[in-house]
Amino acid sequence: QKEVEQDPGPLSVPEGAIVSLNCTYSNSAFQYFMWYRQYSRKGPELLMYTYSSGNKEDGRFTAQVDKSSKYISLFIRDSQPSDSATYLCAMRRAGGTSYGKLTFGQGTILTVHP
Amino acid sequence: NAGVTQTPKFRILKIGQSMTLQCTQDMNHNYMYWYRQDPGMGLKLIYYSVGAGITDKGEVPNGYNVSRSTTEDFPLRLELAAPSQTSVYFCASSSDREEKLFFGSGTQLSVL
Repeated sequence: QKEVEQDPGPLSVPEGAIVSLNCTYSNSAFQYFMWYRQYSRKGPELLMYTYSSGNKEDGRFTAQVDKSSKYISLFIRDSQPSDSATYLCAMRRAGGTSYGKLTFGQGTILTVHP
Repeated sequence: NAGVTQTPKFRILKIGQSMTLQCTQDMNHNYMYWYRQDPGMGLKLIYYSVGAGITDKGEVPNGYNVSRSTTEDFPLRLELAAPSQTSVYFCASSSDREEKLFFGSGTQLSVL
């Protein structure tokens, strides 16, 4: 069983739609959760970061963490063609020695068409 | 403002050949990382470094070596290339105790 499972999609939505991206994880040691966005032929870039259970909002993006269910989500409101990319969830254990030592999901390919 | 720079962008190797993937960053970050990305598999950590002269293994270190003689540079060495090392390799850096990793644009490596 993979430590982090992410639906690879691909996901295709019309412009303006609400997008929901999800990851489940099995290791309760994971305490820090991130979403990275990766455009074609580019490196991933950090989109959202959260530690506690609950919601965190940044513009059109909302990250949700439910530690009791070991489930994290990323919601994109009013999706735009420029949101077309691969979205990767990532997480790490607690502790100073774990910075940057991330476990990634497989990535979800999202296409937003005009 | 270059950030993290990786060279080369593409490379084809024959089985058994060796090569070094170069990575340099200009943000004065102490932490640097090498990840590999295989289709449908996410990114996996190969090696990391918390400062010049300090390196340690990640999840998938076999077949690779690293060195960190300066803050800026973190090269990844493949000694005896194998088809299983066909992948896209990403170098990343971060400042101390910061969650945000800055990634390079990657090196696409094929071993035939």
